[in-house]
Amino acid sequence: QVQLVQSGAEVKRPGASVKVSCTASGYSFSAYYIHWVRQAPGQGLEWLGRINPSTGGTNYAQRFQDRVTLTRDMSTKTAYMELVSLASDDTAVYFCAKEGPGVVVSSDSWGQGTRVTVSS
Amino acid sequence: QSALTQPASVSGSPGQSLNISCTGTKADVGRYQYISWYQQEPGKAPKLLIYDVSNRPSGVSARFSASKSGSTASLTISGLQAEDEADYYCSSYSSGPSLVIFGGGTKLTV
Repeated sequence: QVQLVQSGAEVKRPGASVKVSCTASGYSFSAYYIHWVRQAPGQGLEWLGRINPSTGGTNYAQRFQDRVTLTRDMSTKTAYMELVSLASDDTAVYFCAKEGPGVVVSSDSWGQGTRVTVSS
Repeated sequence: QSALTQPASVSGSPGQSLNISCTGTKADVGRYQYISWYQQEPGKAPKLLIYDVSNRPSGVSARFSASKSGSTASLTISGLQAEDEADYYCSSYSSGPSLVIFGGGTKLTV
């Protein structure tokens, strides 16, 4: 079965960076985009970007363009999301999700989420 | 780029049907057939209910259906059950600054 397993919770100081991992199993990792979505406490879902594991090609939400980097390691079937210059409003649960079925906006498999807390 | 517009909350009684709307613009919902709906229970990851406007993934109850008219998409839940109580989000492909945009979410109370 498809599984996405994310790294554990993080606590960071303002101005620091965080790197969250997402390890895939149960499907062809190279065949499907991985998306990253976050959810601040009590708030809605917000899309950060996606990566094509096969090519490494990325698309980012414009508001995160300068602060987020998506990468992947094909040997370990792991995708990474790094967010720099953290501020308190980056406190959120960060999810990775496998694209599909359908085009771009549908994700049928999600990681368990990684809580990132930014606090001084 | 604003989020898609959803009602903050809706409520219904068991057995009833209800609709949740998702209003966008000509740059997203009004332009593309790439609209999804998700259900999210507290503390859990979202679950895909609908993709490409009206398609249900395998395993999703037929009580969930969806459609689109112009720049507004709609999710219909028929035969409401207590277990349907959750947050619901729409998302759309967009030609704007973000490839994917979400609605603000709708809290369903049964």
